[in-house]
Amino acid sequence: KQEVTQIPAALSVPEGENLVLNCSFTDSAIYNLQWFRQDPGKGLTSLLLIQSSQREQTSGRLNASLDKSSGRSTLYIAASQPGDSATYLCAHRGSTLGRLYFGRGTQLTVWP
Amino acid sequence: EAEVAQSPRYKITEKSQAVAFWCDPISGHATLYWYRQILGQGPELLVQFQDESVVDDSQLPKDRFSAERLKGVDSTLKIQPAELGDSAMYLCASSIGGVSGANVLTFGAGSRLTVL
Repeated sequence: KQEVTQIPAALSVPEGENLVLNCSFTDSAIYNLQWFRQDPGKGLTSLLLIQSSQREQTSGRLNASLDKSSGRSTLYIAASQPGDSATYLCAHRGSTLGRLYFGRGTQLTVWP
Repeated sequence: EAEVAQSPRYKITEKSQAVAFWCDPISGHATLYWYRQILGQGPELLVQFQDESVVDDSQLPKDRFSAERLKGVDSTLKIQPAELGDSAMYLCASSIGGVSGANVLTFGAGSRLTVL
């Protein structure tokens, strides 16, 4: 069974810091990897999707990279803001119609 | 902006009772998913539909859970009887589907179930 691990489980930082969230997966077969944001008690919002042929994707202050050889993805958040406070989840899809396997998430708190 | 609609947002029930959740995906999205998310964990797929057909229900506890998407549009997830361990957030998501790589999922706000 595919396992997706996210480190750290929780992170608390002052506003303005650059952050690194890590995601690792055990299945070397990968179709794409997605990063989601989840606010407390809410559904998930897609942030970035990296196809297996890509090495990174960028959206505003967010940059996600994918290293298939090591089974890792990293989400960089530049100049963090209190509004970035949420849980960030990564999800691995191994094939075109395969299911998404989610990590447990990193709970981020950015304080002013 | 198009949204995935879910109802009810919150449901409190006693064990052994029946519960039903409804989901209306984004118009034109052929693929519909039901996920269960236990507090502190990532979502786990319960069932996936492509139009009205079930593509993957391998993790659906079929002795008590059922799901249908009769006309290939909206969907209902039912639990009967509910057990204490079913307390969780039930998330519906939809995507355009197909092999085009357009596999970005849009999630609804979820239905929070508490079983007493």
